[in-house]
Amino acid sequence: QKEVEQDPGPLSVPEGAIVSLNCTYSNSAFQYFMWYRQYSRKGPELLMYTYSSGNKEDGRFTAQVDKSSKYISLFIRDSQPSDSATYLCAMSGQSGGSNYKLTFGKGTLLTVNP
Amino acid sequence: NAGVTQTPKFQVLKTGQSMTLQCAQDMNHNSMYWYRQDPGMGLRLIYYSASEGTTDKGEVPNGYNVSRLNKREFSLRLESAAPSQTSVYFCASRRTGSNTEAFFGQGTRLTVV
Repeated sequence: QKEVEQDPGPLSVPEGAIVSLNCTYSNSAFQYFMWYRQYSRKGPELLMYTYSSGNKEDGRFTAQVDKSSKYISLFIRDSQPSDSATYLCAMSGQSGGSNYKLTFGKGTLLTVNP
Repeated sequence: NAGVTQTPKFQVLKTGQSMTLQCAQDMNHNSMYWYRQDPGMGLRLIYYSASEGTTDKGEVPNGYNVSRLNKREFSLRLESAAPSQTSVYFCASRRTGSNTEAFFGQGTRLTVV
């Protein structure tokens, strides 16, 4: 079993839809959870970062972490064509040793149609 | 502010040739990483360097070597390239600590024929 599982999609939605992206993980040592956005032929860029269980909101984006279920989500409200990209979840443990590794999911390709 | 700079951006190699991918960051970050990205596989960690003078294997280290030349530079070497190493390679850097953002370069597209 891979440490981080993410449905690669692709996911296609109409403009204005609510998008839900999810990852599950198996490593209990993961404490920090991130969502990166990657446009075609570009490097990934950090979108959201969370530490504790619960919700974190930033504009149209909400990141949710449920450590008891080892499940994280990213919600996009009022999706726009400019949101079309690959979304990757990433996780790391507490500082020290191998926890410096940043482990990524496979990424989900999202297309928002005008 | 250049951030993370990778060279070259594109490269075609013949099977068995060697090459070094260069990565430099100007953000005074301690940790640096090399990932490869293949369709449907996401980002897979090849090697990382938690701090200057240390390197560790990631998920897919076979066929690669790395050098943390100094705090700024972290190079990835393919000693004898194979078609299976055709991929997009990304270098990333972070400040010390696991709770910090990783910044990525623009990638190197490598094709091995």
